[in-house]
Amino acid sequence: DGGITQSPKYLFRKEGQNVTLSCEQNLNHDAMYWYRQDPGQGLRLIYYSQIVNDFQKGDIAEGYSVSREKKESFPLTVTSAQKNPTAFYLCASRWGSDRANSPLHFGNGTRLTVT
Amino acid sequence: QKEVEQNSGPLSVPEGAIASLNCTYSDRGSQSFFWYRQYSGKSPELIMSIYSNGDKEDGRFTAQLNKASQYVSLLIRDSQPSDSATYLCAVTLDQTGANNLFFGTGTRLTVIP
Repeated sequence: DGGITQSPKYLFRKEGQNVTLSCEQNLNHDAMYWYRQDPGQGLRLIYYSQIVNDFQKGDIAEGYSVSREKKESFPLTVTSAQKNPTAFYLCASRWGSDRANSPLHFGNGTRLTVT
Repeated sequence: QKEVEQNSGPLSVPEGAIASLNCTYSDRGSQSFFWYRQYSGKSPELIMSIYSNGDKEDGRFTAQLNKASQYVSLLIRDSQPSDSATYLCAVTLDQTGANNLFFGTGTRLTVIP
């Protein structure tokens, strides 16, 4: 089945440690995205990528890094510089933005807790 | 002004009633409009998309788009407790690049048995 796989589902880390969240899609989508969602809040865009080896900062990129070495994969690293990393992280993908009718498809999310 | 705005709610309706969720957007050239449902602790799932003025029906869900007034709504007929969730409106604005899809903050719906 086609879809977006995020792993792990739950992640616990100590403060000061970097952690990498995995996102893989087999939908052949061009664009991939990372969002953060805090309790009772909307989605905030962290990073996005339109093509392999290219990505852009979203609204809250500080303390995060990404890579896009393969079309299928868009891992997110939460660094120790991120001051409030505990959140629900959502990966999404869609066809290229030149297809105006293209919705986002989401993975199941990773809930990160940093103590 | 935010690109996409929704009433944050919460919105409560009795079981069997019609739930009406509204969304306004700022860019008159917006092209595509989506409704997502998000259960607590889960990821958003796409439930409706609409691209032209008028109504689009899918089962108990009806999306309504009025580009002249720049609003899109979602009606849920015969509301069920299982419809209790947060509903996110998303709009593709009239601009190029991958970052042209914007979300509202969501409306929380509770259907009371």
